[in-house]
Amino acid sequence: GAVVSQHPSRVICKSGTSVKIECRSLDFQATTMFWYRQFPKKSLMLMATSNEGSKATYEQGVEKDKFLINHASLTLSTLTVTSAHPEDSSFYICSVPPSGSNGLRSRGYTFGSGTRLTVV
Amino acid sequence: GQNIDQPTEMTATEGAIVQINCTYQTSGFNGLFWYQQHAGEAPTFLSYNVLDGLEEKGRFSSFLSRSKGYSYLLLKELQMKDSASYLCAVRDNTNAGKSTFGDGTTLTVKP
Repeated sequence: GAVVSQHPSRVICKSGTSVKIECRSLDFQATTMFWYRQFPKKSLMLMATSNEGSKATYEQGVEKDKFLINHASLTLSTLTVTSAHPEDSSFYICSVPPSGSNGLRSRGYTFGSGTRLTVV
Repeated sequence: GQNIDQPTEMTATEGAIVQINCTYQTSGFNGLFWYQQHAGEAPTFLSYNVLDGLEEKGRFSSFLSRSKGYSYLLLKELQMKDSASYLCAVRDNTNAGKSTFGDGTTLTVKP
């Protein structure tokens, strides 16, 4: 099955600094990856669609200059939270779609393990 | 856009059966997922329905009615480890195939 590696799992940073989160597809190529944010006891909110070799597509209300997404290769997408503030503290998680309809039925979209960001 | 509705919380007894419902209104539909998520962890895939009817996988089954915008997840022979959040997600019909999630249903299984 698909394996998606996300790093770091936890990070604490000071206000005003930037944090980079990596999402790697280990065993297959991913032209598309999705970045979500999750608040406590809430569901996943889609932030943006990361597209290999082109600009990311951001959801309404998500600041593209605040949350920089780079998808430079078929196996790596990064999310950089720039000039982080305490309100950016959250659980960030990436998701990779499977290739083909068989993958949808057998394993759905594969999620990274998530990154718990705390801004102090 | 997508609007997805599922109950916030449910409680059931070990060994019993529980049904978690999900209703959706969508501008474009290309399948519905159910995921399980334990606190602080990533969601894990349970099922995918794109055609009407029932999909069965061991203790878990999922049903879809596209005309009614309705799905349910059925969990049989409940175990304590089934206590988790269950997320309904609708996949849209754009090329990106992005998924929109409901707020999740927190299931508590009691002895």
